[in-house]
Amino acid sequence: AQSVTQLGSHVSVSEGALVLLRCNYSSSVPPYLFWYVQYPNQGLQLLLKYTTGATLVKGINGFEAEFKKSETSFHLTKPSAHMSDAAEYFCAVKKAAGNKLTFGGGTRVLVKP
Amino acid sequence: DAGVIQSPRHEVTEMGQEVTLRCKPISGHNSLFWYRQTMMRGLELLIYFNNNVPIDDSGMPEDRFSAKMPNASFSTLKIQPSEPRDSAVYFCASSLTRGLMNTEAFFGQGTRLTVV
Repeated sequence: AQSVTQLGSHVSVSEGALVLLRCNYSSSVPPYLFWYVQYPNQGLQLLLKYTTGATLVKGINGFEAEFKKSETSFHLTKPSAHMSDAAEYFCAVKKAAGNKLTFGGGTRVLVKP
Repeated sequence: DAGVIQSPRHEVTEMGQEVTLRCKPISGHNSLFWYRQTMMRGLELLIYFNNNVPIDDSGMPEDRFSAKMPNASFSTLKIQPSEPRDSAVYFCASSLTRGLMNTEAFFGQGTRLTVV
C-alpha cells in the first residue's frame, strides 16, 4: 500500500518569502510523485511530477520539487511567494505501473502582503 | 480540448432523493476516476475505469453509490438514496493509459453536492 503525509495543514508565508511544503511518502515500489494545486472552487491542476531521471523537477508558476529516495520525500519549493500562490497544495503518489493516485491531506497556503 | 467536464457544478437535494453526477473525460483518454473531497477525509478515490470497465471500486462507500461508464466519453456517479453525510465535492478525472504506463490525471472542476 502507498501513503502520503503532508506536514502542516496550513502554511503562512509573506509575499516574496520562500515557500516550502513538505511531503513524505511510503511505497513498496518505485513511485511516481506529483504535486497538484487547487484554487478556491476549482479542480486540481498539475504543478509538476517526478517519474524517472532527474530528481529535481521544475513545474509551472516557478515551483520545483526534489525527489529524495533516501528520505522518502518530495518537498515542494518556490523561492519567492506571490499573492496568487494562495491555494491548497496536494502531494500524490502512485506506482509507476498503475493508475491509482493516493493523495496527502493537503496544505493550505496563505500569502501575507 | 475543453478538459474534463462535470455537471452540474452545484447540486442541492433533499435526503432520500436520487442524485446523478455526470462526467465527460478528455477526448482520447481511456482511464476515468471519481474522487470525493471532504474536510474530514480529504481526497478519496471512489472508483476508476479503464477502457470503460470498472477496475477498482473498493473506495465506493456503500451500496447506495454506483458508477457507470457506458462509453468512452461519458460516466455517471449515482447516489440513491442520498444522505446528508454524502455532502462533499465530487471530482472526475481522466488520463491516458498505454499498456502499464499512463499520463497524469486531469481533473474536472467538481460538483459540490449538498444533501439537506
